[in-house]
Amino acid sequence: GIQVEQSPPDLILQEGANSTLRCNFSDSVNNLQWFHQNPWGQLINLFYIPSGTKQNGRLSATTVATERYSLLYISSSQTTDSGVYFCAVADQFYFGTGTSLTVIP
Amino acid sequence: GAGVSQTPSNKVTEKGKYVELRCDPISGHTALYWYRQSLGQGPEFLIYFQGTGAADDSGLPNDRFFAVRPEGSVSTLKIQRTERGDSAVYLCASSSNSFTEQYFGPGTRLTVT
Repeated sequence: GIQVEQSPPDLILQEGANSTLRCNFSDSVNNLQWFHQNPWGQLINLFYIPSGTKQNGRLSATTVATERYSLLYISSSQTTDSGVYFCAVADQFYFGTGTSLTVIP
Repeated sequence: GAGVSQTPSNKVTEKGKYVELRCDPISGHTALYWYRQSLGQGPEFLIYFQGTGAADDSGLPNDRFFAVRPEGSVSTLKIQRTERGDSAVYLCASSSNSFTEQYFGPGTRLTVT
């Protein structure tokens, strides 16, 4: 089956810093999503982005399907950004290993 | 409109008992998915419905697990003869059509003692 790897596994940022999270996948995908799982366990949709670039406030994402990776950019991080970020190949029901982000004030 | 809801939010049961977990998808969503998440892991796929039928149940770990969606809306995940290894958060998601953007519910935390 498809392999989905995320990096880095853990990240600690000072409030206000920027970061880039990466998702590599081993095969072509038709449906890639980014989620934020908050400390209470709720999975929150960030982006549905099979290809191209999207932006939503301080967050943006880019998927280069031909090179089999996606990037999530977080700018001017806030403590509320803390949690685990997952990319998911939703059409194959497969989640990556996650990046655990801690933003400290 | 309302998001995906799941009940109960927490369930504690004894080993060997039967449990049912319920999922109410977003109104009008035809696809519904069940996942299981253990501590420190990403969600793991269990089963996917398109309408009333199970389109893919390849993630169900064994025949103690069963799910239904009789009217194409609410779904129930049923676990027989629960084991301590079944303890996890069970997540439900729905999407407007198959393989489009999935929206998740808050999950049911199942603890088997």
